[in-house]
Amino acid sequence: DAKTTQPPSMDCAEGRAANLPCNHSTISGNEYVYWYRQIHSQGPQYIIHGLKNNETNEMASLIITEDRKSSTLILPHATLRDTAVYYCIVRALYNFNKFYFGSGTKLNVKP
Amino acid sequence: GAVVSQHPSWVICKSGTSVKIECRSLDFQATTMFWYRQFPKQSLMLMATSNEGSKATYEQGVEKDKFLINHASLTLSTLTVTSAHPEDSSFYICSATRRGRTTDTQYFGPGTRLTVL
Repeated sequence: DAKTTQPPSMDCAEGRAANLPCNHSTISGNEYVYWYRQIHSQGPQYIIHGLKNNETNEMASLIITEDRKSSTLILPHATLRDTAVYYCIVRALYNFNKFYFGSGTKLNVKP
Repeated sequence: GAVVSQHPSWVICKSGTSVKIECRSLDFQATTMFWYRQFPKQSLMLMATSNEGSKATYEQGVEKDKFLINHASLTLSTLTVTSAHPEDSSFYICSATRRGRTTDTQYFGPGTRLTVL
């Protein structure tokens, strides 16, 4: 599976958009990009995933570059409850759905 | 939908004893369940993949005789930490994917915190 690189931490003001980048330059054609977040001492929570098109749901938007080597998770209006570690994961379609987590980005939403 | 539970949520045991952790998919049948371990301030590490009715496959470096995994039904997988030692103290998290959905995401349980004295 492709390795992902994320900044270790980011700050965001409450109410502003949080843009979390992820680099996955070795991604191959059948690998999806997934985003999860983990609030302290809880199990990871699914946010969104995509293959090559941009995706949006009630939680966030996922922007994948045309070459698919990087992506950005956008939380449009961050709240204090969005403070968490955000993980970007690349998964091959038929690799038994295995996920290999990287180190993630700690997002600090500040009042 | 797609809720995964774990029991217990936390457990304290003495060194040398065995501890069993249950992972259940509450509202769906799970083809595959996964077990992860997470040490403080670290990321999740995949330990093993568990398929219903077959032996679990373990990631490199994970001792299969120490971490026994049983996936007896489409809604239940168990992880038994045998002869636990203080270094096994960790946060254990399971996840599951829905039966029949090869492109499905993983749904995670809330985790079990194990402390070995």
